[in-house]
Amino acid sequence: GESVGLHLPTLSVQEGDNSIINCAYSNSASDYFIWYKQESGKGPQFIIDIRSNMDKRQGQRVTVLLNKTVKHLSLQIAATQPGDSAVYFCAETVYNQGGKLIFGQGTELSVKP
Amino acid sequence: NAGVTQTPKFQVLKTGQSMTLQCAQDMNHEYMSWYRQDPGMGLRLIHYSVGAGITDQGEVPNGYNVSRSTTEDFPLRLLSAAPSQTSVYFCASSQRQAPYEQYFGPGTRLTVT
Repeated sequence: GESVGLHLPTLSVQEGDNSIINCAYSNSASDYFIWYKQESGKGPQFIIDIRSNMDKRQGQRVTVLLNKTVKHLSLQIAATQPGDSAVYFCAETVYNQGGKLIFGQGTELSVKP
Repeated sequence: NAGVTQTPKFQVLKTGQSMTLQCAQDMNHEYMSWYRQDPGMGLRLIHYSVGAGITDQGEVPNGYNVSRSTTEDFPLRLLSAAPSQTSVYFCASSQRQAPYEQYFGPGTRLTVT
């Protein structure tokens, strides 16, 4: 079946450094991608999204890059802070197919002070 | 706004028991969804609703029922609990205009013995 997966289950970075979290997807029909952040004991929180007609989208301290050729998605966090420590999930969908998101496994980001 | 609320926060059931997980949102969102999250995995969609009176199945609907009699409430019923249903359950809601920018509740941790 179709799946979304992450290359690294854990990532440890120094406070102030930039973080890059990767995600591979396998459904070539997917045209919309989202990153969610989940802090310990809480529900996921929407961070940023990107449509397949874009290669890059920037938010506040975050950038999502999409490479459709190799079906790869990444989330870059600039100047990583302790509050960024969480599990990050990518999710994919075909936008006009009724709200069914397929989530990846998740990457745990740990920020060292 | 309270956002998305879920009750109970924790629950222990014996195999074969039934129960209802409650979910409510006060944002007047049309879309609501139930996910389960198992250790080390992403979220999997159980059931979803695009409006009052309308529900549909997600990836893993077996063993669960839902109904949507009001915009605010979307309860999830476990008909006959099984150990395989031990998981953390998240309810989410979103607007029709942005169906994938989902707001998640804090989760219900369910253990079936």
